[in-house]
Amino acid sequence: DVKVTQSSRYLVKRTGEKVFLECVQDMDHENMFWYRQDPGLGLRLIYFSYDVKMKEKGDIPEGYSVSREKKERFSLILESASTNQTSMYLCASSLRGGAGSYEQYFGPGTRLTVT
Amino acid sequence: RKEVEQDPGPFNVPEGATVAFNCTYSNSASQSFFWYRQDCRKEPKLLMSVYSSGNEDGRFTAQLNRASQYISLLIRDSKLSDSATYLCVVNGRNSGYSTLTFGKGTMLLVSP
Repeated sequence: DVKVTQSSRYLVKRTGEKVFLECVQDMDHENMFWYRQDPGLGLRLIYFSYDVKMKEKGDIPEGYSVSREKKERFSLILESASTNQTSMYLCASSLRGGAGSYEQYFGPGTRLTVT
Repeated sequence: RKEVEQDPGPFNVPEGATVAFNCTYSNSASQSFFWYRQDCRKEPKLLMSVYSSGNEDGRFTAQLNRASQYISLLIRDSKLSDSATYLCVVNGRNSGYSTLTFGKGTMLLVSP
């Protein structure tokens, strides 16, 4: 079974703090993704990575950065957390596709509250 | 036109009913299609892939109509455990790479 784990289920941070969200997958997947999910807005792609040390912006990258130093680990960084970054953050991984995409496997999510 | 559009519901059905969800997508070049299921406060999980010829998995049947850019999911003999949000998912291109676009989901509530 594919397993994607995230470092925290719940996190409370103060405005202006630097926040690290960690994600690890154990299936040797090339692709990894970070999404946020908000009521009424669905899942939105923040950043993705198709290889170690590679990263691409998704649809809403502003206020976020990422790091992928090892194939199995993909970190999301909030340089200076703001209240509008309160959300559920979901990490996912998949095999690398060609013109199409393979299914993505999700971690359990981190519910981040910024006060 | 939104990239992936679904009726948010909720669809309220009794146990044993048949229910169908529809989804439309805007990118005619999309090649991969999925239905995901998401339980309350849980992560999305793959329910089934959707193939051009249509496919069935037990009580679940998925259909794809490329000409109309339309995907459907049919659930027969609904169970209480089918209550969840169903996400229609389509691939697209982002910075030259294939990524998935998720619909906002259709909520299903199955009652005794």
